[in-house]
Amino acid sequence: QQQVKQSPQSLIVQKGGISIINCAYENTAFDYFPWYQQFPGKGPALLIAIRPDVSEKKEGRFTISFNKSAKQFSLHIMDSQPGDSATYFCARRTDCAGNKLTFGGGTRVLVKP
Amino acid sequence: DGGITQSPKYLFRKEGQNVTLSCEQNLNHDAMYWYRQDPGQGLRLIYYSQIVNDFQKGDIAEGYSVSREKKESFPLTVTSAQKNPTAFYLCASNPQVTYNEQFFGPGTRLTVL
Repeated sequence: QQQVKQSPQSLIVQKGGISIINCAYENTAFDYFPWYQQFPGKGPALLIAIRPDVSEKKEGRFTISFNKSAKQFSLHIMDSQPGDSATYFCARRTDCAGNKLTFGGGTRVLVKP
Repeated sequence: DGGITQSPKYLFRKEGQNVTLSCEQNLNHDAMYWYRQDPGQGLRLIYYSQIVNDFQKGDIAEGYSVSREKKESFPLTVTSAQKNPTAFYLCASNPQVTYNEQFFGPGTRLTVL
């Protein structure tokens, strides 16, 4: 089974601070790494994703960085806002024929005002 | 509006009973997935289907069954053989295109009494 190890399990950050979530993976067969954001009681929604041909992708205050040699990727949330308080999941694609994903364990982020 | 619907939102069942969770999508997506989410944990794949009348077991299929008779529907049955069925169940779908995101439904919270 393809594993994705996510850390930390939870973090608290002050408004305006930077939230950093890290993920490590095994194998490099199928490289597509999405991040999902989930609010309590809701289904996850795609936040941002990175493909293997780039090392960094930025969308607004959210940035993914990808280190292929270290088999690690991370999410940075700049200028964190209380509305960013949610659970974040990293994932990786695990089959070449479709879009089957393996998810990390999740990080609960709390942004204090 | 296009999207994924899951019903019911909350479901209670007695031990020893089978129960079926509904998942419908009008996005014309080929692939559909069922995940289980436990408190503080990531999403674990139960079953997935890439085409009508075909489906594959995920990582935790024991005690569950599915059918895919129509493109837009992918119901999940939680059988009495599932030893610990209380969880949040999420349905997702995506078109069969490389690097395409999975869209999630709002989830069904199942509680066994």
